[in-house]
Amino acid sequence: DSGVTQTPKHLITATGQRVTLRCSPRSGDLSVYWYQQSLDQGLQFLIQYYNGEERAKGNILERFSAQQFPDLHSELNLSSLELGDSALYFCASSVGTDNTEAFFGQGTRLTVV
Amino acid sequence: GENVEQHPSTLSVQEGDSAVIKCTYSDSASNYFPWYKQELGKGPQLIIDIRSNVGEKKDQRIAVTLNKTAKHFSLHITETQPEDSAVYFCAASFTGFQKLVFGTGTRLLVSP
Repeated sequence: DSGVTQTPKHLITATGQRVTLRCSPRSGDLSVYWYQQSLDQGLQFLIQYYNGEERAKGNILERFSAQQFPDLHSELNLSSLELGDSALYFCASSVGTDNTEAFFGQGTRLTVV
Repeated sequence: GENVEQHPSTLSVQEGDSAVIKCTYSDSASNYFPWYKQELGKGPQLIIDIRSNVGEKKDQRIAVTLNKTAKHFSLHITETQPEDSAVYFCAASFTGFQKLVFGTGTRLLVSP
């Protein structure tokens, strides 16, 4: 158990809908990272938050957004969902800002039908 | 930007044999190189990492080596066991570049 908690584990939704994925980082970790894992793109960095503020952006679509709350949990919002958004979404956390020793959660498997 | 290539994509070994997975990176500024193990239905698990000021690091049956000149780093697993079967990912990043760039993964199968 990495100490990073993600909910829900599975999510099935229709195209055009909006979903929210939740992540609780390890105790003491201030950084949260979101990654997308698909068969054709591998593990792709989406966005990082550190202590409530956006720190870095990767290949995140404009339809996607995230935030980190004062208690350090984070949410990833995916809207206007398309079939191609079906993937595993992972959250990782680390103590500092430089993603060393980042620990991953179990992921949320999103299926868009 | 950084690019990480990983080989082989699949690796089958007999229990007790050694396994080696190799990665190359493109950005000479990269200074942190973790390895992750991902079992079916689970998230990537950090198993070992190395920084650019170190050439080799060991942790029991696993070791990582880094050749900065050639921009190569490798994962070595000795005395493999069936429970080592998983997908292994290498990654690279450098300070100030706030993301890990992952390789494409190696599926390791250890047969009893």
